[in-house]
Amino acid sequence: KAGVTQTPRYLIKTRGQQVTLSCSPISGHRSVSWYQQTPGQGLQFLFEYFSETQRNKGNFPGRFSGRQFSNSRSEMNVSTLELGDSALYLCASSLRTASYQETQYFGPGTRLLVL
Amino acid sequence: GESVGLHLPTLSVQEGDNSIINCAYSNSASDYFIWYKQESGKGPQFIIDIRSNMDKRQGQRVTVLLNKTVKHLSLQIAATQPGDSAVYFCADYSGAGSYQLTFGKGTKLSVIP
Repeated sequence: KAGVTQTPRYLIKTRGQQVTLSCSPISGHRSVSWYQQTPGQGLQFLFEYFSETQRNKGNFPGRFSGRQFSNSRSEMNVSTLELGDSALYLCASSLRTASYQETQYFGPGTRLLVL
Repeated sequence: GESVGLHLPTLSVQEGDNSIINCAYSNSASDYFIWYKQESGKGPQFIIDIRSNMDKRQGQRVTVLLNKTVKHLSLQIAATQPGDSAVYFCADYSGAGSYQLTFGKGTKLSVIP
């Protein structure tokens, strides 16, 4: 079974621009979460989507947004990019079919550099 | 803030020795814990998980121990190999029903050949 895929893998943008990242979850997985990883802050939760609805949201400004499509694929968007948005953006998917919490499986990430 | 933290940022071990990576958590309501391995340039890779109704779980060369009394868990890697060199994170969900993973800062494991 194919793992979580993310596109693009690398991206260079300038301040003020916006960017859209894409994530395809493992087949059958219905939950997609996004995380930001930086050397200074580590791995931080952005948001989680399940059944096309945002279920959980981390402490990030409104410039960070996302959505999920009916096939469970997800996109996240960052508007008005700032230098501090340079990071590795990770997507993770989970089955989310049981009443208990399940493992999240991560993709390779999108490395975003803001100049 | 973080509910999960790691005691040591770096760990160097000889090839063939056993490795122990520790993790403390603060949320007494946490009932599911996951260990991830992240190699350079890659996303975190699932290693092993444990639920709060267990105190030990074993996988292939890895064992996770959970001590709920002191809110501590550890990852033991037997016969450490060069391929085990990576950053290891423990993570837990921020509350019942939450799908927000909280990660520790990570421990960098270096295996000396």
